[in-house]
Amino acid sequence: NAGVTQTPKFQVLKTGQSMTLQCAQDMNHNSMYWYRQDPGMGLRLIYYSASEGTTDKGEVPNGYNVSRLNKREFSLRLESAAPSQTSVYFCASSESGGNSYYEQYFGPGTRLTVT
Amino acid sequence: GQSLEQPSEVTAVEGAIVQINCTYQTSGFYGLSWYQQHDGGAPTFLSYNALDGLEETGRFSSFLSRSDSYGYLLLQELQMKDSASYFCAGPGSARQLTFGSGTQLTVLP
Repeated sequence: NAGVTQTPKFQVLKTGQSMTLQCAQDMNHNSMYWYRQDPGMGLRLIYYSASEGTTDKGEVPNGYNVSRLNKREFSLRLESAAPSQTSVYFCASSESGGNSYYEQYFGPGTRLTVT
Repeated sequence: GQSLEQPSEVTAVEGAIVQINCTYQTSGFYGLSWYQQHDGGAPTFLSYNALDGLEETGRFSSFLSRSDSYGYLLLQELQMKDSASYFCAGPGSARQLTFGSGTQLTVLP
């Protein structure tokens, strides 16, 4: 099992460009998440999806959109990149129900620089 | 809302024991998780405390006291490979996790 995979691993964008970060999991999890992590800081939730067909905003959703394509895949789109979106982006997944969300499995991350 | 505080840095020597504290302020608290993250790597799940008390997993233990709004991660028999950042995480709104800002643990030979 690959667990949670993310593409690309690295990306450099110019201000105003758009891109989509891809995430897939093979653990049959219902819940998936997108976080960003800035230097020396914890993880902040951008969007999450409790199940296929549903998405909800997290703590820092502005400037991002998401799509839960199917149970396996959850993509994050930056429509018009800004330097403030320079960060490391992590996708994660978990079982659903009860307190399962406390145990999340993370992908390797995408390191995004916006110039 | 949820706010978790933990020290920014801790240093210890190989073979020692270190405790990383996490205090929180929230209305309605249901547990605490701990994650480890090596430089350049992804966070990995270490432990989850749903109830008060100590949970032990090998060299790592985690403790929770809901009445004191406090938890800690205890690492025993420290090894060089334990040098990493450690994050506590608690409930946010609607089945979301809120993470602390992380504690950078440096293990010295």
